[in-house]
Amino acid sequence: KQEVTQIPAALSVPEGENLVLNCSFTDSAIYNLQWFRQDPGKGLTSLLLIQSSQREQTSGRLNASLDKSSGRSTLYIAASQPGDSATYLCAVQGGSEKLVFGKGTKLTVNP
Amino acid sequence: DGGITQSPKYLFRKEGQNVTLSCEQNLNHDAMYWYRQDPGQGLRLIYYSQIVNDFQKGDIAEGYSVSREKKESFPLTVTSAQKNPTAFYLCASSITGTLAKNIQYFGAGTRLSVL
Repeated sequence: KQEVTQIPAALSVPEGENLVLNCSFTDSAIYNLQWFRQDPGKGLTSLLLIQSSQREQTSGRLNASLDKSSGRSTLYIAASQPGDSATYLCAVQGGSEKLVFGKGTKLTVNP
Repeated sequence: DGGITQSPKYLFRKEGQNVTLSCEQNLNHDAMYWYRQDPGQGLRLIYYSQIVNDFQKGDIAEGYSVSREKKESFPLTVTSAQKNPTAFYLCASSITGTLAKNIQYFGAGTRLSVL
C-alpha cells in the first residue's frame, strides 16, 4: 500500500528566504507526483505535476524535483513571500486514477 | 467561468439524517472524485467515477453513497450509517485517458458538522 510522508509538518520562515519542502513515498511505481497548495478552509490548487519520466518541473518561483528510484520529491520555493503562506500537499498517482496524499506541510512566511 | 462548484459551503446534519453534498463541473471532465479531509490529515478518497453511470469505492466508502447520472454532476450522500461525518469534503475532477498528465482540479469544499 502506497504511503506518502511530508516533512516537516510545519515550517516558519522570514520573508525572502529560499526553502525546501520534502515528500517521500514508499512505492516507486507511480505515474506522476503532484504538489498542491491549500489555503485555510479552501480547496486545493494544483501547483506542479511531474510525470514519472521527468526529473523536475518549474513554475515561476517554484521548482519541484522527483527522484522516483529513491521515492523522494522536493518543492523549492525561491524568495518566499507572505502570500506563500499555506499548506502544501504532495500526492502520487499509481496505476489508477486515484491519488494518495501526504498530510501536508503548513508554511508560514513572516513579513 | 470553468470550474467545479460545491454546495453548500456549510452543512449541518442531525443524528439519523441523510444529507447530500452537491458537486457540479463544467470542465467537460470524464472523472470525478470525492475526498474527506480531517484536521491535520491528508485527503482520503471516498468514491470516484471515471464515466457516467459508473463509480468505484475508494478507501473509506462505508456510510457514503454516490450517483453519476450526468457527466457534470457527482453528488455525495452522507448516510446515517456514517457515525463520524464531521469533516471537510472536497470534490475533484480530471480528464482521464492520460494517467501521466492527469491533473485533478478541486472545488472549494463543503464543511459538514453534526448538530
